[in-house]
Amino acid sequence: QKEVEQDPGPLSVPEGAIVSLNCTYSNSAFQYFMWYRQYSRKGPELLMYTYSSGNKEDGRFTAQVDKSSKYISLFIRDSQPSDSATYLCAPGASGGSYIPTFGRGTSLIVHP
Amino acid sequence: GAGVSQSPSNKVTEKGKDVELRCDPISGHTALYWYRQSLGQGLEFLIYFQGNSAPDKSGLPSDRFSAERTGGSVSTLTIQRTQQEDSAVYLCASSLGSRGGEQYFGPGTRLTVT
Repeated sequence: QKEVEQDPGPLSVPEGAIVSLNCTYSNSAFQYFMWYRQYSRKGPELLMYTYSSGNKEDGRFTAQVDKSSKYISLFIRDSQPSDSATYLCAPGASGGSYIPTFGRGTSLIVHP
Repeated sequence: GAGVSQSPSNKVTEKGKDVELRCDPISGHTALYWYRQSLGQGLEFLIYFQGNSAPDKSGLPSDRFSAERTGGSVSTLTIQRTQQEDSAVYLCASSLGSRGGEQYFGPGTRLTVT
């Protein structure tokens, strides 16, 4: 089992839809959770960063973490064609031996 | 300010040749990472530099791969005797402080080995 699992998609939704992107992880040592967005032929950029279980909201984006079930989600409200990208989840941990770990990413297509 | 830059943006090379990929991190960022991203795959960690400490090379896939970071700034990833399976996008990222946490990525170098 990989440390971080994501459904690669693609997930295709109409403009204005609510999108749910999900990620599971296996390592209990992960302490913080990040979502990166990667446009085609670009490097990833940080979208959301959260430490604790629960919800964190930033504009149209909400990150949800459930540490008990090792499940993290990213919700996008009122999705726009400009949200079309690949979304990578990246749980992290402090400590000198931590190896940065990313999910494969979920490809999202928002069509007008 | 300037972000992470990488050069070249694209590189096509023949099997068996050596290649050098360059990364210029954000000024002041002490941590620098190299990743490989193959088609449909996630980011594969290759190597991590932190200040003047010895780099963490645990992700390098073979001894054909090496990297250095000069003066705590610019980094070069070298692949010797390239193979077709080395074809991928090589991404560099930098961050403030310790490993993990928010990383700022460059646009990547797309390497094609023919």
